[in-house]
Amino acid sequence: DAGITQSPRHKVTETGTPVTLRCHQTENHRYMYWYRQDPGHGLRLIHYSYGVKDTDKGEVSDGYSVSRSKTEDFLLTLESATSSQTSVYFCAISGRTGANQPQHFGDGTRLSIL
Amino acid sequence: AQTVTQSQPEMSVQEAETVTLSCTYDTSESDYYLFWYKQPPSRQMILVIRQEAYKQQNATENRFSVNFQKAAKSFSLKISDSQLGDAAMYFCAYRSAGFGNEKLTFGTGTRLTIIP
Repeated sequence: DAGITQSPRHKVTETGTPVTLRCHQTENHRYMYWYRQDPGHGLRLIHYSYGVKDTDKGEVSDGYSVSRSKTEDFLLTLESATSSQTSVYFCAISGRTGANQPQHFGDGTRLSIL
Repeated sequence: AQTVTQSQPEMSVQEAETVTLSCTYDTSESDYYLFWYKQPPSRQMILVIRQEAYKQQNATENRFSVNFQKAAKSFSLKISDSQLGDAAMYFCAYRSAGFGNEKLTFGTGTRLTIIP
């Protein structure tokens, strides 16, 4: 299995509080991604990174920010959590570009915002 | 933008039988990759099979095979000899082949139930 660790695995918090989710990889892969999974929507890309300090927005980036100061860590921050951000969040990684390299996923973080 | 459609929210099959899950996609690109991922109740996302658009031959992985129809933009997954462990959500996903285009676009999933 690809070495991807997401933390925490579960979190319950209140509306308006800041939340940071962490993704840690041991594969030295260049690309890292954050997705959210909601019923009826499948997985949707929030943000992704193509290198240290290089990030870009996905299709549902509003209300989220990311940072990548080291190859192995990719952080997702909800500056002021809202109930609409209750979801399961997945981190994924992939290797070199242009090749048939599938993304490998972490085990997900279930985030509940009350 | 690319879109992926899975029109079957739920499917069921008798154990040991064969089932086909459908997936269609919309793209203007000629080179891309397609994937099927499995998500069991454990919530893990597990790669089942992948297909390169430039390959005419359909991909096969043990009991899993695809029917890739490029002109029709169709990418169905066939599971033969269904087993109880195949029960899961199945997601079809698309990825552009160009440099830097690493993002996956997912369908909404099909929940597969295996009937003993």
